[in-house]
Amino acid sequence: QVQLVESGGGVVQPGRSLRLSCAASGFTFSSYGMHWVRQAPGKGLEWVAVIWYDGSHKYYTDSVKGRSTISRDNSKNTLYLQMNSLRAEDTAVYYCARDLSQGYSYAFDYWGQGTLVTVSS
Amino acid sequence: QSALTQPASVSGSPGQSITISCTGTSSDVGGYIYVSWYQQHPGKAPKLMIYDVSNRPSGVSNRFSGSKSGNTASLTISGLQAEDEADYYCSSYTSSNTLVFGGGTKLTVL
Repeated sequence: QVQLVESGGGVVQPGRSLRLSCAASGFTFSSYGMHWVRQAPGKGLEWVAVIWYDGSHKYYTDSVKGRSTISRDNSKNTLYLQMNSLRAEDTAVYYCARDLSQGYSYAFDYWGQGTLVTVSS
Repeated sequence: QSALTQPASVSGSPGQSITISCTGTSSDVGGYIYVSWYQQHPGKAPKLMIYDVSNRPSGVSNRFSGSKSGNTASLTISGLQAEDEADYYCSSYTSSNTLVFGGGTKLTVL
């Protein structure tokens, strides 16, 4: 069965960096686009970034553009999100989610359980 | 990238039907078929209920249906059941190759 397991969250000081990982299993990882979506405590969903199945296209929401990098290692079935210059407003549960297609569907049929990132001094 | 507009809350009695609206612009909802709806129960990850405006993933009840007119998409739940009580989010692809969510709607089953 499809599984997405995020890791790498924790408490980090403002201005520092963090790398999130999402280990995928149960499907051909290299055939699907992957996204990161976050949810601040008690708030709604916010899309963060997408990477196409082959890594050829990457897009970001404005609030993380220039500070974050989405990447993938298809040989390791793993998705990453490198976040730099973290701010308090980056505090959220970060979900990885599978695109219905190679990356251009922007609908997410499987989600991980999420990993909490808390930015605080 | 302004969030799509959803009502903060809706409610209905068991067996009734409710509709949740999701209003955007011609650069998102009105310009593409890539409108989706998600259900989220407290403490859980979201679940895809509708994609491409009106398509249901395998396993999703046919009590859930989606539609779109102009810049507004809608999710209708018929035959309300207690387990439908949750938060619902719409989302849309945008002209900037990004995705925007709605602010979310809390559905209460009375």
